[in-house]
Amino acid sequence: DAKTTQPPSMDCAEGRAANLPCNHSTISGNEYVYWYRQIHSQGPQYIIHGLKNNETNEMASLIITEDRKSSTLILPHATLRDTAVYYCIKVINNFNKFYFGSGTKLNVKP
Amino acid sequence: DVKVTQSSRYLVKRTGEKVFLECVQDMDHENMFWYRQDPGLGLRLIYFSYDVKMKEKGDIPEGYSVSREKKERFSLILESASTNQTSMYLCASSLSQVPGVGTEAFFGQGTRLTVV
Repeated sequence: DAKTTQPPSMDCAEGRAANLPCNHSTISGNEYVYWYRQIHSQGPQYIIHGLKNNETNEMASLIITEDRKSSTLILPHATLRDTAVYYCIKVINNFNKFYFGSGTKLNVKP
Repeated sequence: DVKVTQSSRYLVKRTGEKVFLECVQDMDHENMFWYRQDPGLGLRLIYFSYDVKMKEKGDIPEGYSVSREKKERFSLILESASTNQTSMYLCASSLSQVPGVGTEAFFGQGTRLTVV
C-alpha cells in the first residue's frame, strides 16, 4: 500500500510544541519519508524528509523510529500560521511520485 | 526560490470544451507533476513527466492528457471537459530522480476549475 496513516486532526496551543505522528508500517528499505503541509487555498509546501536518521531544519524536526515503521514531525514552537493540513508521504520509486493521503489538520489555538 | 506558476487561479468552462492548464517552473527541474485535489480524497496524481516529451500515467489519467515540449512547461489537457472534472488542479516540479536527493517537490498555487 502506498499510503501512510495519520490522525485526521490535532489541536496545539500557540507557543507549544506540535507533535504530529505518522504510521508507515509497510515502508521498504529505500523509501524516504517526506512531510508537506498545505495552508488553506495554497499549494502544498515541503517541510522535511528523512530515511532513517532524525533530521532537523529551520522549520521542523523529524524523528523516525528505529524500525522505520513510524515517524513524528515536531514543530518546536507552533504559531497560528502553522495551522494547516500536514501530510506524511513515503516516496514510491526513483521518479519520486508523491502519493498523498488525507493528512492531519493541525489547529493551533491562541 | 523555486517558482512554479500556474496560468490561471480560477477557471470556468463548459461541458465538452477542450481545456488547457499550463504550468511553468523556473528552476530547470527534471520532473513535473499534475495532481487534482478533491475534498475527502486528498491529492491524486494524474500524470507526471521526468523529461521533455516523456510522460507517465499516475493514478487517475482517464479523461486527461499532458504535453511537455519544453523542460520548463508542463500542460494538462482535458480533451472534453465534464462536470466530474471540477476540482482543484495542482502542478509541481522536483529537481532529481535520485531518492532523497533534491527530490522535494515544489507546488504551484493551484487552478480551481469549474465545469458547468
